[in-house]
Amino acid sequence: DTEVTQTPKHLVMGMTNKKSLKCEQHMGHRAMYWYKQKAKKPPELMFVYSYEKLSINESVPSRFSPECPNSSLLNLHLHALQPEDSALYLCASSQFSSGERRYYQETQYFGPGTRLLVL
Amino acid sequence: AQSVTQLDSQVPVFEEAPVELRCNYSSSVSVYLFWYVQYPNQGLQLLLKYLSGSTLVKGINGFEAEFNKSQTSFHLRKPSVHISDTAEYFCAFSGTYKYIFGTGTRLKVLA
Repeated sequence: DTEVTQTPKHLVMGMTNKKSLKCEQHMGHRAMYWYKQKAKKPPELMFVYSYEKLSINESVPSRFSPECPNSSLLNLHLHALQPEDSALYLCASSQFSSGERRYYQETQYFGPGTRLLVL
Repeated sequence: AQSVTQLDSQVPVFEEAPVELRCNYSSSVSVYLFWYVQYPNQGLQLLLKYLSGSTLVKGINGFEAEFNKSQTSFHLRKPSVHISDTAEYFCAFSGTYKYIFGTGTRLKVLA
């Protein structure tokens, strides 16, 4: 099973709402990632979890709050978002994160994404 | 500074014709290189990667790429494309803890 699942597929929320995105993988991967992708752009890394601990935060605003309850699950909690936060949010996993390797060489498995619209 | 450049934002090609999607990188150190494909309304999927060894790398769906260190390139090729190959293609290389993605090339296969 090389699947990463994400729910919901689509989400519309107002700027005062609180919502959560969910990601799940059952490949035994120990690194999980959140990306944000705007239309016609490459994905931008937001967070990296390694062994269920937050290892990288790419200076993401605090209105995005990640959580890794266990090795298979990754959540992204959303609160007080802005219209410019509308995007496709992708989750990915890999066997390991950068770890001791000097340069990143992991294969990442991506979910289909959650398309978020903030009104 | 490390960077990766995909010179073509869009490549239209007729079905069953060959295609080459270009990727050039800039780095003074050893690199690992990747090509990912993103079909409409989906996440990214690894097509192939170069870590070491043979410079000609074969991937899924009939794609291959050649690592050329002297030209700092990693161009993606397919000898005969299908309508289903229509997608966005991203070249990436290894940063210290993450991918450095190119801006993407939209491959449009025409009937």
